[in-house]
Amino acid sequence: LAKTTQPISMDSYEGQEVNITCSHNNIATNDYITWYQQFPSQGPRFIIQGYKTKVTNEVASLFIPADRKSSTLSLPRVSLSDTAVYYCLVVSTGGFKTIFGAGTRLFVKA
Amino acid sequence: ETGVTQSPTHLIKTRGQQVTLRCSSQSGHNTVSWYQQALGQGPQFIFQYYREEENGRGNFPPRFSGLQFPNYSSELNVNALELDDSALYLCASSPGQGAGAFFGQGTRLTVV
Repeated sequence: LAKTTQPISMDSYEGQEVNITCSHNNIATNDYITWYQQFPSQGPRFIIQGYKTKVTNEVASLFIPADRKSSTLSLPRVSLSDTAVYYCLVVSTGGFKTIFGAGTRLFVKA
Repeated sequence: ETGVTQSPTHLIKTRGQQVTLRCSSQSGHNTVSWYQQALGQGPQFIFQYYREEENGRGNFPPRFSGLQFPNYSSELNVNALELDDSALYLCASSPGQGAGAFFGQGTRLTVV
């Protein structure tokens, strides 16, 4: 399983765009990149999943370069309620084991 | 709301006791995974069930066991509880292996 590395914490202000980058140098051909958001004492919430190039949904965008060794989660115009821990995971389509790292603690200030 | 529900939401047990946690997966999801999350840490994978069979396990002792039923709901059983088992236990369901998983709200287990 590919190990992921992401910043431990980030600060931002309301209304700004936030980009969280994750590195996964050992990603395999059949691996997908998945991001989750977690608030204290709640289960992680699925944000977005992608394989290559760009994926966008109503919440975020995910940018994956051609070599797929990293990915960037982009949150447009964050608000205070976006303060949470964000996890980057590499998930194999044929696999079963999902490894969460320590995540990135995003703190949005007014 | 993810459609994944866990019960109970909170539980207090005494060291040495046994506990059963329950999870009702989202409709149509045949894969269920269980995680343990200690305070301040990321979730740790316990095991996964796919169509009623365990098909993967993390680094947890045999006293952690599980079941998946024909309706794809699931149970996590922990025997001989230890103080270190105190954590948030999370259940996640997905429509297949590798697909994005949807988590329940978790069960907060406290062992005293």
